[in-house]
Amino acid sequence: GAVVSQHPSWVICKSGTSVKIECRSLDFQATTMFWYRQFPKQSLMLMATSNEGSKATYEQGVEKDKFLINHASLTLSTLTVTSAHPEDSSFYICSARDVSGRADTGELFFGEGSRLTVL
Amino acid sequence: AQKVTQAQTEISVVEKEDVTLDCVYETRDTTYYLFWYKQPPSGELVFLIRRNSFDEQNEISGRYSWNFQKSTSSFNFTITASQVVDSAVYFCALTPIYNQGGKLIFGQGTELSVKP
Repeated sequence: GAVVSQHPSWVICKSGTSVKIECRSLDFQATTMFWYRQFPKQSLMLMATSNEGSKATYEQGVEKDKFLINHASLTLSTLTVTSAHPEDSSFYICSARDVSGRADTGELFFGEGSRLTVL
Repeated sequence: AQKVTQAQTEISVVEKEDVTLDCVYETRDTTYYLFWYKQPPSGELVFLIRRNSFDEQNEISGRYSWNFQKSTSSFNFTITASQVVDSAVYFCALTPIYNQGGKLIFGQGTELSVKP
């Protein structure tokens, strides 16, 4: 089946630094990817929709300048947490949908997630 | 407004018991997808099932079964003869079909603990 891969799976950084998380669709093209955030013991909340070749669409309350999203190719979207602070510590997970027609069944494929800890 | 409610925050059962996880949803859309995902302690989301709003047939897959009742806006998930490996957080989710199937609205999750 289709696979979405995230890297890194976990990262620890100092407050004030920026962290980049990659989301790749390994065997299909994804014009649209989605970034979710999950705090401990909580549900997943959509942060933004990443569109290949255009600007991301952010959900209400999500700071665009804080969470930079770049979707430079049909298989890669990146999320950069800029000037990270301890409250940004969370589990970030991406998803992508294969719209090639081969598997356009509405199923979303999720990455393994990236656990960010900001000290 | 769209909303998914999983009223059971935590469930604890003993191995081999049957357990049902409830999911109630709200949407004004006439066409939509419903999902169930499993999230083990490692964090990744494991896809279990997708059901579109046109298809109200119940589904069985091994020890798993799903009961979709459009009249009550519920999409419940039953695990028969539970096993320790079933311990995880289970999420029910909803998305309109027109919305590229991408913007999932998740329920709060139900943490299932299966004890030996």
